[in-house]
Amino acid sequence: QKEVEQNSGPLSVPEGAIASLNCTYSDRGSQSFFWYRQYSGKSPELIMSIYSNGDKEDGRFTAQLNKASQYVSLLIRDSQPSDSATYLCAVNSEGAQKLVFGQGTRLTINP
Amino acid sequence: DGGITQSPKYLFRKEGQNVTLSCEQNLNHDAMYWYRQDPGQGLRLIYYSQIVNDFQKGDIAEGYSVSREKKESFPLTVTSAQKNPTAFYLCASSTGTVTPGYTFGSGTRLTVV
Repeated sequence: QKEVEQNSGPLSVPEGAIASLNCTYSDRGSQSFFWYRQYSGKSPELIMSIYSNGDKEDGRFTAQLNKASQYVSLLIRDSQPSDSATYLCAVNSEGAQKLVFGQGTRLTINP
Repeated sequence: DGGITQSPKYLFRKEGQNVTLSCEQNLNHDAMYWYRQDPGQGLRLIYYSQIVNDFQKGDIAEGYSVSREKKESFPLTVTSAQKNPTAFYLCASSTGTVTPGYTFGSGTRLTVV
């Protein structure tokens, strides 16, 4: 079992709709969770971090964390074509000062 | 402006050659990391360092070497022992804990010719 799993997609969403990206992780001791956006040929850019159960909102982005289910998600409201990118989920392990990344979900927003 | 600089942006390696990828940061971050990304895949950890003169192997360290002689610099050498080095290499840094996440450099794309 991979440490961090994401559906590789592609996920296709119409413009203006809500895009929902999901990530599961295997280490119950994980404490820090991140979502990165990566445009083709570019480096990842941090868009959300979450550390406690529940929802965290930042503009059009909402991160959701459920540690009991070992599940973290990212919602993008009012999706725009500029949101088309690969989204990487990253998780740290308890006591480990390094991040483990999922394989990424490729998101396409259709005008 | 503070940030991480990776060079070169593109690098071509001949069979049997060693090449070194540069990573410099002026963020005063303690920890630095090297990841490899293959097409359509996530990031895999090669090496990381949390303090000067100390570093640890990641998941795919074979065929690579690093040094951390200065806080600001963490160069990666891809040796001839790395049989499939063509990939996108990303350097990152953090304050020393993974919160609040990494800052990434712009990456180096290495191609074997």
